[in-house]
Amino acid sequence: AQTVTQSQPEMSVQEAETVTLSCTYDTSESDYYLFWYKQPPSRQMILVIRQEAYKQQNATENRFSVNFQKAAKSFSLKISDSQLGDAAMYFCAYRRYNFNKFYFGSGTKLNVKP
Amino acid sequence: GAGVSQSPSNKVTEKGKDVELRCDPISGHTALYWYRQSLGQGLEFLIYFQGNSAPDKSGLPSDRFSAERTGGSVSTLTIQRTQQEDSAVYLCASSLRGSYEKLFFGSGTQLSVL
Repeated sequence: AQTVTQSQPEMSVQEAETVTLSCTYDTSESDYYLFWYKQPPSRQMILVIRQEAYKQQNATENRFSVNFQKAAKSFSLKISDSQLGDAAMYFCAYRRYNFNKFYFGSGTKLNVKP
Repeated sequence: GAGVSQSPSNKVTEKGKDVELRCDPISGHTALYWYRQSLGQGLEFLIYFQGNSAPDKSGLPSDRFSAERTGGSVSTLTIQRTQQEDSAVYLCASSLRGSYEKLFFGSGTQLSVL
C-alpha cells in the first residue's frame, strides 16, 4: 500500500529565509505523481507544486521548488524568501498513474516569524 | 461556480442523528472526491466519482457512510447514526479528469458530534 510520511509536524522560519519541508513515500510503482498542497486557516487546500515521477528535472514554481529523489523516495519542498502568507499546513500527496486516489501525509504546520 | 462550494461550513449534531453534507463542484469537472481530515491527521480518502462510472467507495469507513452524485454535478455525503469518532472536517474536491490533474478543494464542513 502507498503511504506518505511527513516527519515534521511543525516548523518555523524567519521571514525572507528559506525552509525545507520533508516528505517520504512508499510505493512499488514506477509511474506516479507527487504534489505539495497548502492549507491556510480557511481550510481550502491549494496546489503548490507537482512533479511527475518520470521527469528527472525538479519542478519549480516561483519561490517554491522540490528536491525529488526517486531512488530514495523522497520529495521535499523548499520555500525561498519566506513570506507571512506562506504560513499554513502543508501536505505532501502521492497519486499512482491512472489511479484515482490521492494519498496524503499528515501535514507540516509552517509558522513564519516576522 | 467560481470554486468548489461546500455546505454547511459547520455542523453540530447529536450522537445517533443523521447528517448530510453537500458539495457543489466546479462546473465541468467530471471527477469529484470526498476526504476526511481528522485533527492532527492527514486526509483520508472516502469516495471518488468520475462521470457516469460506478463510484470508488473503497474508502468509506462503514456502512453508515454513503454518498451520491446527482446529474454528474452536486454530491451529498450522508452519515447515518453519527458517532463521536465521525467528528472531523469533510473536504470535497473536484478535477477536470480522473488523471493527475490538480484537485480543487472546497473549504470543507467541520462536523462535530456531541
